[in-house]
Amino acid sequence: AAGVIQSPRHLIKEKRETATLKCYPIPRHDTVYWYQQGPGQDPQFLISFYEKMQSDKGSIPDRFSAQQFSDYHSELNMSSLELGDSALYFCASSLAQGLRAGNEQFFGPGTRLTVL
Amino acid sequence: DAKTTQPNSMESNEEEPVHLPCNHSTISGTDYIHWYRQLPSQGPEYVIHGLTSNVNNRMASLAIAEDRKSSTLILHRATLRDAAVYYCILMYAGIMLTFGGGTRLMVKP
Repeated sequence: AAGVIQSPRHLIKEKRETATLKCYPIPRHDTVYWYQQGPGQDPQFLISFYEKMQSDKGSIPDRFSAQQFSDYHSELNMSSLELGDSALYFCASSLAQGLRAGNEQFFGPGTRLTVL
Repeated sequence: DAKTTQPNSMESNEEEPVHLPCNHSTISGTDYIHWYRQLPSQGPEYVIHGLTSNVNNRMASLAIAEDRKSSTLILHRATLRDAAVYYCILMYAGIMLTFGGGTRLMVKP
């Protein structure tokens, strides 16, 4: 079965540079979520999109932005990178079905971002 | 947001059942109880969820207390592959997951 695809899997950037992470949800899934997991920490919700509209916002820095495109893939854009942005970034997708709370989220393998 | 409380870590022997507890005393009537797990170096993985009744699937069973203030995730026969951090999460009509704490399960051969 198709899974969530994230690219790149690894990314190394310098401070103050920009980065773009991509997420391709499971086919027919209409909702995408982004999570950040720092070293030794639990995943933290950043932002989500339902049918290409932002649906929820968590602890996403103003330096970050994201969008969901017409083919439902999503991109997380990160600017003015800081050392503290080094983390694993997970994308997840689900079929919202009217945003029922019983929906399971399927996570991708993550992108490991290292900021030097 | 309603909070959950889980033990920091638990240990189990391979091939034995494991009962992972979760307290959620401030749960509201419309909160679903979700369990996810995260294996080392992998993204979180859905395990099971329920509202009021006990639930079974191929991975695990979920036992929900009658007053819904606690629940237990049951792995019927632990394997080394089940070693992970298990998160108990409450969700209401929302679609974002709030991960907090979690139980690190160690499985001994």
